[in-house]
Amino acid sequence: LAKTTQPISMDSYEGQEVNITCSHNNIATNDYITWYQQFPSQGPRFIIQGYKTKVTNEVASLFIPADRKSSTLSLPRVSLSDTAVYYCLVGGMDSNYQLIWGAGTKLIIKP
Amino acid sequence: NAGVTQTPKFQVLKTGQSMTLQCAQDMNHNSMYWYRQDPGMGLRLIYYSASEGTTDKGEVPNGYNVSRLNKREFSLRLESAAPSQTSVYFCASKETPPYEQYFGPGTRLTVT
Repeated sequence: LAKTTQPISMDSYEGQEVNITCSHNNIATNDYITWYQQFPSQGPRFIIQGYKTKVTNEVASLFIPADRKSSTLSLPRVSLSDTAVYYCLVGGMDSNYQLIWGAGTKLIIKP
Repeated sequence: NAGVTQTPKFQVLKTGQSMTLQCAQDMNHNSMYWYRQDPGMGLRLIYYSASEGTTDKGEVPNGYNVSRLNKREFSLRLESAAPSQTSVYFCASKETPPYEQYFGPGTRLTVT
């Protein structure tokens, strides 16, 4: 099972772009990379998912290099409401469950 | 669409008591999951069900049982609660291929 490594915590300021990197050295060929956001006392919420290169949606971008051993979640122009824990997961097309959840990255946005 | 619902929201049990956590989803998803989350930690998979009629153990199944009652409902039972089972329990559902999981609001369980 592919395990992920993320920074435990990060700080930034309102209006800045925030990049959170996740390492997944033993990612398998069929594995996708998925990021979730979790606020206190709530269940995680899907942010973005990708397989390779770059994916962008209305809230974030996901950058995946050619070797796919890492990925970077990019949050443009963050606000105080982006303060949350962010999780990176790796899982495959033939998996019925998304593998191991690490402790995530606690992102604190300051005014 | 209510998404994923869980009952109860809060529960306090004494050691040795039993209870069932209920989960239901209205998105017609095949796969459903039960996780627990301890303070400051990520989620740990207890059991999952890839489809109606099937269940499989996850990372931390000891002390728990599950029932996939139908496509909508997936319950988690604690037969004899222990203080180590104090946690927040989340139910989730998703459709294959690796589409995103949708989570319920969680059940905060305290075992004294």
